[in-house]
Amino acid sequence: GDSVTQMEGPVTLSEEAFLTINCTYTATGYPSLFWYVQYPGEGLQLLLKATKADDKGSNKGFEATYRKETTSFHLEKGSVQVSDSAVYFCALSDPWSRDDKIIFGKGTRLHILP
Amino acid sequence: EAGVTQSPTHLIKTRGQQATLRCSPISGHTSVYWYQQALGLGLQFLLWYDEGEERNRGNFPPRFSGRQFPNYSSELNVNALELEDSALYLCASSLGQGSYNEQFFGPGTRLTVL
Repeated sequence: GDSVTQMEGPVTLSEEAFLTINCTYTATGYPSLFWYVQYPGEGLQLLLKATKADDKGSNKGFEATYRKETTSFHLEKGSVQVSDSAVYFCALSDPWSRDDKIIFGKGTRLHILP
Repeated sequence: EAGVTQSPTHLIKTRGQQATLRCSPISGHTSVYWYQQALGLGLQFLLWYDEGEERNRGNFPPRFSGRQFPNYSSELNVNALELEDSALYLCASSLGQGSYNEQFFGPGTRLTVL
């Protein structure tokens, strides 16, 4: 079945450092790909998404490119801030499936030190 | 516009009891999804309701059940609670069937089973 694998955390960086959180997926069809963020004590928020190969999703300085050849959707940010400390989830959904569910990775906790 | 709301925020039960969790979707959304976020296990899909009908369920035992009301709000019931049911339960809503319809998440209900 479809699955998402993302790098385990926690990831600890200093403010203004470059961030990469790796995410790879397995899917039988052509999924849509997402990054969600969960700030402490809150629910999930959609950070960015991409629906087809070579699409780049971006939001709040974060970017991720849908790479079909490597089945990857790595999250990047050029200069992180303390306020970026959160748990980040890579996820996919199959628009051709009647399941209508999102499959999540296990999450990567990010700590940004001032 | 109000987001997805969930109640209660926290719920403490003992083993064998029943728990009822509630979710109100964004106005105009007809689909409601339930996810379980257990420590170390990421987010697991539980149930999907659309237009009052259960459309899909994840790999959970039958003691996890729910319903969707005519106003599209939803209830998740967990019977015969077990210790491992302790988790954050997240509800999401969307405009309807189809993964291109973004799912918006509520803040969650934290269930603790003693």
